[in-house]
Amino acid sequence: EVQLVESGGVVVQPGGSLRLSCAASGFTFDDYTMHWVRQAPGKGLEWVSLISWDGGSTYYADSVKGRFTISRDNSKNSLYLQMNSLRTEDTALYYCVTGGFDYWGQGTLVTVSS
Amino acid sequence: DIQMTQSPSAMSASVGDRVTITCRASQGISNYLAWFQQKPGKVPKRLIYASSSLQSGVPSRFSGSGSGTEFTLTISSLQPEDFATYYCLQHNSYPITFGQGTRLEIK
Repeated sequence: EVQLVESGGVVVQPGGSLRLSCAASGFTFDDYTMHWVRQAPGKGLEWVSLISWDGGSTYYADSVKGRFTISRDNSKNSLYLQMNSLRTEDTALYYCVTGGFDYWGQGTLVTVSS
Repeated sequence: DIQMTQSPSAMSASVGDRVTITCRASQGISNYLAWFQQKPGKVPKRLIYASSSLQSGVPSRFSGSGSGTEFTLTISSLQPEDFATYYCLQHNSYPITFGQGTRLEIK
């Protein structure tokens, strides 16, 4: 059974930093592209970032480019999102998602507030 | 960036109705389109991929069609469990983009 478990979401002040993690199991992690997708409270879905199976290619939404960095450790079956210079508009539930958007984690809540 | 515009943004319908939701892309995306269903407090669920391929386990009353810039999600006979928000997504080019969502409510 595919499992994606996100962690690291907390309350952080504007301008702060945070690192999200996603632990993957139940599939061959290093065969898959992975994404982060977020959803602000009461709002729609927003794609955030993608990383290729080997970490060699990464892509970002314009709203996070230059502030967020996606990475992975295939030896640990883990996906990460380093979030810097956080803004109030980054407040959202952050989902870890497999490459075809067929499997989603339960999400971890990031709240940016003073 | 490719903009994905869904219509309508919200609609009400009755059990048994046939419902169609449209998603328009601001430029051609071939068939790199997926549809998702999200119920309140739940994780999004993929219904359709590659514009018209039904996800395993999804009821056959759901169908997708289209190519290029115009796509549709059709529910042939609405069931009580289908009342939810539906999103389209394009993955033809980066950045990947979602539609704004269509909220389907009970009439």
